[in-house]
Amino acid sequence: EDKVVQSPLSLVVHEGDTVTLNCSYEVTNFRSLLWYKQEKKAPTFLFMLTSSGIEKKSGRLSSILDKKELFSILNITATQTGDSAVYLCAVLQGAQKLVFGQGTRLTINP
Amino acid sequence: DTGVSQDPRHKITKRGQNVTFRCDPISEHNRLYWYRQTLGQGPEFLTYFQNEAQLEKSRLLSDRFSAERPKGSFSTLEIQRTEQGDSAMYLCASSLWRGGVTDTQYFGPGTRLTVL
Repeated sequence: EDKVVQSPLSLVVHEGDTVTLNCSYEVTNFRSLLWYKQEKKAPTFLFMLTSSGIEKKSGRLSSILDKKELFSILNITATQTGDSAVYLCAVLQGAQKLVFGQGTRLTINP
Repeated sequence: DTGVSQDPRHKITKRGQNVTFRCDPISEHNRLYWYRQTLGQGPEFLTYFQNEAQLEKSRLLSDRFSAERPKGSFSTLEIQRTEQGDSAMYLCASSLWRGGVTDTQYFGPGTRLTVL
């Protein structure tokens, strides 16, 4: 059965801390891995990773994929209260549907 | 706003009633997807269209669910004889498929369905 597992499920940190969110997957016909941020509404796109070992970076967020070990991490440095959200990891299967993990709920306290 | 739009944003209905949701994708996108998200879970794939053709349906999509995309633009998702277990957020996404090139799926704000 195809599955995407995220850890931790919940994380509470103080503003300014650095966090690492984990995503492991076992999905047939893997095409790419995506990270989304969800704040009480639609998931908003963060990154798409297709190749191993190439870090994608956007401001304080970065992500990398390891296709041999079947996992990805999302790093957020110097966290801010606006980073509080659910972070979703998803695998694009067969260039069509996304298989999502359960999400990591991140809370940043001031 | 040129993003994905969904209507209505919230729907409360009584068990046994039929409901219909609409999704308008980003205008140049030829693929449209429906997902369902329950509380505390990630979205689950329901079905997707390429232009007007429905190319895949999940086994989650019982015969009470039907989706259409008649002119390859907007799509509707209808649930007949709603059950309390249908209560969820229904998310629509769209993407541009260019034959072998994987593009990102962009999501709409969702329709939150509550079945009483």
